[in-house]
Amino acid sequence: EVQLVQSGAEVKKPEESLRISCRGSGYSFTTYWITWVRQMPGKGPEWMGRIDPSDSYANYNPSFQGHVSISVDKSITTAYLQWSSLRASDTAMYYCARLAASRRAFDIWGQGTMVTVSS
Amino acid sequence: DILLTQSPSFLSASVGDRVTITCRASQGISSYLAWYQQKPGKAPKLLISAASTLQSGVPSRFSGSGSGTEFTLTISSLQPEDFATYYCQQLNSYPQYTFGQGTKLEIK
Repeated sequence: EVQLVQSGAEVKKPEESLRISCRGSGYSFTTYWITWVRQMPGKGPEWMGRIDPSDSYANYNPSFQGHVSISVDKSITTAYLQWSSLRASDTAMYYCARLAASRRAFDIWGQGTMVTVSS
Repeated sequence: DILLTQSPSFLSASVGDRVTITCRASQGISSYLAWYQQKPGKAPKLLISAASTLQSGVPSRFSGSGSGTEFTLTISSLQPEDFATYYCQQLNSYPQYTFGQGTKLEIK
């Protein structure tokens, strides 16, 4: 079964660092880009950035550039989303998703990781 | 940036109804449009890619059409499990993959 499995919910304080993960299985991990999507409570999804697991090249939505970083460890078929200094406004659900081979949709989604940032 | 505007934002309908959701792009995106369904507490689920290609396992009552700047998602006969929020997404403007604001489909 093709799937993306994300790490569990996190509760953090402002200015703390965090890394959440997304492990792919059931397919050739290096063949498909992984993207990250933020969904704030009651709002629509926002695309944050993507990474090519074959060469670790990443690019970002300008709205998130400089605040998050995306990385990958292809040896364990896992992608990461990382913050060095969290803000209360980072409180949201975060999804990883696979970009389809056609590049015309996100065809497989992780179950989501809820991140809560509160003092 | 390419903006996507969905209409309506809220839709109240009954089981068995035919409903149509529209997604308009601020500039042409060819057929680089996808539709997703999201239920509370769940990840979005891909319904349609490339504007009109139904994903495997998605019921045939769902259909998509359009190209350029105007797109539609149609559900031919609403079923109880279809009440959810629907999002369009453009994938033409690499790599800025923007989403519409969503259409919440509620039971009348």
